[in-house]
Amino acid sequence: DAGVTQSPTHLIKTRGQQVTLRCSPKSGHDTVSWYQQALGQGPQFIFQYYEEEERQRGNFPDRFSGHQFPNYSSELNVNALLLGDSALYLCASSLGQGLGNSPLHFGNGTRLTVT
Amino acid sequence: AQSVSQHNHHVILSEAASLELGCNYSYGGTVNLFWYVQYPGQHLQLLLKYFSGDPLVKGIKGFEAEFIKSKFSFNLRKPSVQWSDTAEYFCAVNPSLSGGYNKLIFGAGTRLAVHP
Repeated sequence: DAGVTQSPTHLIKTRGQQVTLRCSPKSGHDTVSWYQQALGQGPQFIFQYYEEEERQRGNFPDRFSGHQFPNYSSELNVNALLLGDSALYLCASSLGQGLGNSPLHFGNGTRLTVT
Repeated sequence: AQSVSQHNHHVILSEAASLELGCNYSYGGTVNLFWYVQYPGQHLQLLLKYFSGDPLVKGIKGFEAEFIKSKFSFNLRKPSVQWSDTAEYFCAVNPSLSGGYNKLIFGAGTRLAVHP
C-alpha cells in the first residue's frame, strides 16, 4: 500500500487536448509534489504545493499548472498537450514542505500517453 | 545546471555478488543525498539518505552508501546481493538551501538484474 493514491492509472490523450491528474497524499501529510518521469529517465520535479499554494517550481512551462485543495489532495493540469508530454507522472507527499526529516512518499503514478 | 549522473544504466549480477552503483552530482554547495529503489510494479521507496554527519550511511535491506564530498559522489553498495534486489535504483540530490526532501533532482536510474 503506497499511502499516496493517484488517478487515473493510465490515460490516453490527443495532441492539443488538456488533462487533469489527481493525487491524494498519505494520511497526515500536507505537502504534495509532482514529478514527470519520461521513459528511461529519472523523475523530474514539476512543482510543489503546500497550504494550497505553489511553493516551488521546476523547469516546466506554464502549460503545467496545479491546485491543492483544503483536504491536501492535489491536481496536476496540463494544457495543449504535446507528444513529449507522454510520461509517468508521479505524485509525492510529505509533511511541512518536505523540510527536515519528513521523507517523500511516492504514489504509483499515472501513465499519460499523448498520440 | 545542477545534475545527477548514474554511471551504469544496466547492471547484471549473480546472487551473492557484491554491488556498487555510482552516483555523482554537479552541485557544489551543501546537499542532501538520497537513494530510492523501485521494485517491479511498485512505487519509489527510500533506501537511504544522507543529511549530515557520518558520511557512511546505512539503509534498509543491507544497503549502504558513502558520501565523498571531494568527489561529489554518493555511491551505493551492498556486499552480497539477492534475487529480491532486482529493481531500478535512483540517486537523488536536494541542492536547496532549505534542505530536506522538498525538491529532488534524480539521476536517470540503474536497472539491476540479479540472477539466481
